[in-house]
Amino acid sequence: EDQVTQSPEALRLQEGESSSLNCSYTVSGLRGLFWYRQDPGKGPEFLFTLYSAGEEKEKERLKATLTKKESFLHITAPKPEDSATYLCAVQGGSEKLVFGKGTKLTVNP
Amino acid sequence: EAGVTQSPTHLIKTRGQQATLRCSPISGHTSVYWYQQALGLGLQFLLWYDEGEERNRGNFPPRFSGRQFPNYSSELNVNALELEDSALYLCARGGVSYNEQFFGPGTRLTVL
Repeated sequence: EDQVTQSPEALRLQEGESSSLNCSYTVSGLRGLFWYRQDPGKGPEFLFTLYSAGEEKEKERLKATLTKKESFLHITAPKPEDSATYLCAVQGGSEKLVFGKGTKLTVNP
Repeated sequence: EAGVTQSPTHLIKTRGQQATLRCSPISGHTSVYWYQQALGLGLQFLLWYDEGEERNRGNFPPRFSGRQFPNYSSELNVNALELEDSALYLCARGGVSYNEQFFGPGTRLTVL
């Protein structure tokens, strides 16, 4: 069964303090690993898709990387508006996405 | 902009009632996915519809059902509501890249 574990559950940073979020996964036949950002009470906002080990993608202060067992979401010099819950999901042999429980990021000014 | 609308925004029901939730993907997208996000459980896959057919369903009882209409909008029905059905119900559409999914704002269902 496909599984995703995200750590830490919660992370508090000072503005400008860079850090990384971890997503460990087990899946048979990875078709894609996805990162989303979710604000309270709203739907997840798509950030990145990674397809194979070694792939990297960047968007503003965010950079996602992928290995055969885990993915990292690196946040460089975060701002308070980066505060949100970041969700990781994998897609294996079916169309459904299997999500982790997320990392709640708080960036203090 | 995710290109998915959901209605209603909030829905309050009592135990044993039925709830109907609606989702409309932007024109040109035929796949619709439903997920449940309950407190502490993360997003759980419910149903996938494509071209009017149910293609896959998650580990939910049969009282969770739905359909997709010819215009590719979709409806999720939850019968015999239970307190634990209280959750944010999210609908997603497929993307240009075949396995990407883009989510709508969700419907918050509260069962009293």
